[in-house]
Amino acid sequence: QKEVEQNSGPLSVPEGAIASLNCTYSDRGSQSFFWYRQYSGKSPELIMFIYSNGDKEDGRFTAQLNKASQYVSLLIRDSQPSDSATYLCAADSGGGADGLTFGKGTHLIIQP
Amino acid sequence: ETGVTQTPRHLVMGMTNKKSLKCEQHLGHNAMYWYKQSAKKPLELMFVYNFKEQTENNSVPSRFSPECPNSSHLFLHLHTLQPEDSALYLCASSQVTSGSWNEQFFGPGTRLTVL
Repeated sequence: QKEVEQNSGPLSVPEGAIASLNCTYSDRGSQSFFWYRQYSGKSPELIMFIYSNGDKEDGRFTAQLNKASQYVSLLIRDSQPSDSATYLCAADSGGGADGLTFGKGTHLIIQP
Repeated sequence: ETGVTQTPRHLVMGMTNKKSLKCEQHLGHNAMYWYKQSAKKPLELMFVYNFKEQTENNSVPSRFSPECPNSSHLFLHLHTLQPEDSALYLCASSQVTSGSWNEQFFGPGTRLTVL
């Protein structure tokens, strides 16, 4: 059974600080990992993905992957109130058109 | 239209009704997906279509019937649903080729309520 685990939160972070979101996965065959942002009442929006060990930066966002520990994280620098949302972590086993395995998501609140 | 569109956005139906959800992707992708999102649960994969062929049916009850007439359109036909089927139904698409990473883009979803 493939599983992706996230702390549901809420995670409360002051405006301007770094928000750190974490995710673990059970399937060692997972090859790529995705972070989606979902505002209340809206659909998931892809923020970034990562497939190599280490860090990947895109603007204020940094994804980190550690395959040995089966651990993925998302850092949001200079957090803004507009970053308040639920963040979904997803894993893909690769090999073609596969459904992604999602975690339940972490509810992030940025306090002004 | 751009991205992935879904209609209707909201649907209320009785347990004996038959209805269909429609999804259209304008991204030139070759794979499409149906997911179900219920409160307090992770997104659940329902069906996968790759080049119009169904490649995955994730143990979904037969009261849900998918149809993919071409690589841009995906339907989910609903009949004799149960109240526990009330959820947000999300369609997604991706381009699956050698070297791609299955980035899936979601439509706005259909909020389904079964009475």
